[in-house]
Amino acid sequence: AQTVTQSQPEMSVQEAETVTLSCTYDTSESDYYLFWYKQPPSRQMILVIRQEAYKQQNATENRFSVNFQKAAKSFSLKISDSQLGDAAMYFCAYRAYTGTASKLTFGTGTRLQVTL
Amino acid sequence: DAGVTQSPTHLIKTRGQQVTLRCSPKSGHDTVSWYQQALGQGPQFIFQYYEEEERQRGNFPDRFSGHQFPNYSSELNVNALLLGDSALYLCASSLGPSNQPQHFGDGTRLSIL
Repeated sequence: AQTVTQSQPEMSVQEAETVTLSCTYDTSESDYYLFWYKQPPSRQMILVIRQEAYKQQNATENRFSVNFQKAAKSFSLKISDSQLGDAAMYFCAYRAYTGTASKLTFGTGTRLQVTL
Repeated sequence: DAGVTQSPTHLIKTRGQQVTLRCSPKSGHDTVSWYQQALGQGPQFIFQYYEEEERQRGNFPDRFSGHQFPNYSSELNVNALLLGDSALYLCASSLGPSNQPQHFGDGTRLSIL
């Protein structure tokens, strides 16, 4: 079974600085998707960024980028120029590439605090 | 463009009771997935519905059941509630069962006394 591990329960970053959130996963599949979701206090899970495992290029979305290391099964999220609105729980998630259903497997999350 | 809507927002039940949670998918979506998020944890997949059938199920007992209606909306039913069922229940929708990303609703907070 696939597992996702986030070893940082909490992280803190100053406004305008850069922070990296870590995620490792375990799978025997060769093709899969990886995601970072943001969950603010409003509770809604918001997709931040996604990465297809067959793509070697790291995904980037504005201030958010990933460092995808397939051999090491590592998928970290870098947030540049942090803003107060980035404060939230961040979840790393895995989804198998094949199959007829899109079950997501989540990590336990990292709470990000942004300070002035 | 309406997003995923869930009702009710918050619900309080006692042990042994039964509960029904509701979800309307994002406009244009036909697939609904349900997740349970216990306090301080990541969401856990319960099951997914497509074409009014359960397509995939996570490691949850038969007390958890669901239904999808012809208009693609869905219900999650939980029987014989336990204290451990207290959680945030999230609904996610997508176009097709294998497509990403899934769009999530704001969830229903279920508290069991």
